[in-house]
Amino acid sequence: EDQVTQSPEALRLQEGESSSLNCSYTVSGLRGLFWYRQDPGKGPEFLFTLYSAGEEKEKERLKATLTKKESFLHITAPKPEDSATYLCAVRSRGSGGYQKVTFGIGTKLQVIP
Amino acid sequence: NAGVTQTPKFRILKIGQSMTLQCAQDMNHNYMYWYRQDPGMGLKLIYYSVGAGITDKGEVPNGYNVSRSTTEDFPLRLELAAPSQTSVYFCASSPLGLAGTYEQYFGPGTRLTVT
Repeated sequence: EDQVTQSPEALRLQEGESSSLNCSYTVSGLRGLFWYRQDPGKGPEFLFTLYSAGEEKEKERLKATLTKKESFLHITAPKPEDSATYLCAVRSRGSGGYQKVTFGIGTKLQVIP
Repeated sequence: NAGVTQTPKFRILKIGQSMTLQCAQDMNHNYMYWYRQDPGMGLKLIYYSVGAGITDKGEVPNGYNVSRSTTEDFPLRLELAAPSQTSVYFCASSPLGLAGTYEQYFGPGTRLTVT
């Protein structure tokens, strides 16, 4: 069974204090790893897709990296507006042509001014 | 481009009532999905569709039904609502990617309470 574990569950940072969020996964046949941002009361918003180990993607203060067992979302010099829950999801080879997506519970990030 | 829209935003149902959650997308995406999100749990797939006229069950389909008559619309039907269906429901869509991996675009959600 595919599993996605995110840590920590919650993270509180001072503005400007860089840190990383972790997503560890076990899947059969990884077809992609996704990071989403979710603000309270809203739907998840797509951030990145990573396909293979060693791949990196960046967007503003965020950088996502991927190894064979985990992914990190690095946040550099965060601002209060980066406060949100960050979700990790993996797409694996499924049956009947459907590729199964498994979501983690998320890391709730709070950035204090 | 409105993206993925969902109605209603909030709804309170009595046990045994039925309702339809509406979802529409204007991005011409082939794939559409319905998820539910409960506190402390990851998003769980209820139903999905790979195109008009084609639907299939996800992880937690019991108590729900779907239809997909057009590319744009993917309504979710709840028959005989139960308290266990109290949740936040998200509709999502994704394009058909060349690499076979495709990101999902989510609607704003419908918060449903069954009492």
